[in-house]
Amino acid sequence: ETGVTQTPRHLVMGMTNKKSLKCEQHLGHNAMYWYKQSAKKPLELMFVYSLEERVENNSVPSRFSPECPNSSHLFLHLHTLQPEDSALYLCASSQIAGLAGTDTQYFGPGTRLTVL
Amino acid sequence: TQLLEQSPQFLSIQEGENLTVYCNSSSVFSSLQWYRQEPGEGPVLLVTVVTGGEVKKLKRLTFQFGDARKDSSLHITAAQPGDTGLYLCASRTTGGSNYKLTFGKGTLLTVNP
Repeated sequence: ETGVTQTPRHLVMGMTNKKSLKCEQHLGHNAMYWYKQSAKKPLELMFVYSLEERVENNSVPSRFSPECPNSSHLFLHLHTLQPEDSALYLCASSQIAGLAGTDTQYFGPGTRLTVL
Repeated sequence: TQLLEQSPQFLSIQEGENLTVYCNSSSVFSSLQWYRQEPGEGPVLLVTVVTGGEVKKLKRLTFQFGDARKDSSLHITAAQPGDTGLYLCASRTTGGSNYKLTFGKGTLLTVNP
């Protein structure tokens, strides 16, 4: 496997279910990200982990719980979601070094989540 | 919070035509990136611009960064069906978080054969 992989690619869940999204990066990067992409809205940054420490949490509801057990893996645990949480969830990684703002974020293909 | 306005929102053209899409903000960018996202995939970085007035070329794509670093454009010459996708601009605000990349809503380009 190369780049950034995400599983599952598609997920349908009920509002009372608990599920997890998985992301793995094979690039040796030191930062990983979760984004939400909804129709008619810009990509929204949810969480950032740098060197396995959470460094950004952009007012995300507690029904989304991230976990970064090591520098290559990132999880997003989901519980009691709402239908409006249906979206494409994208994971990305980058190597933070040097001039701020010029690192390249490498995205996975995303998990298409539908909450019934 | 910096807002990025992209225009047009949708663009459908014939193969061989030229086009320009825009990205604007009321704030100064510390840097600006353009990504392309194809259906079923995540965004892929096309270019990063840092210096006001900078012009970068990537084959048939020309990227321009405004002198005041508040706007950018992407021009595609002789568009091909393979150029179809969602074009996103993204930036970080001067003095803002090193990690937070703000995206525009994108321009959805369709190039018809």
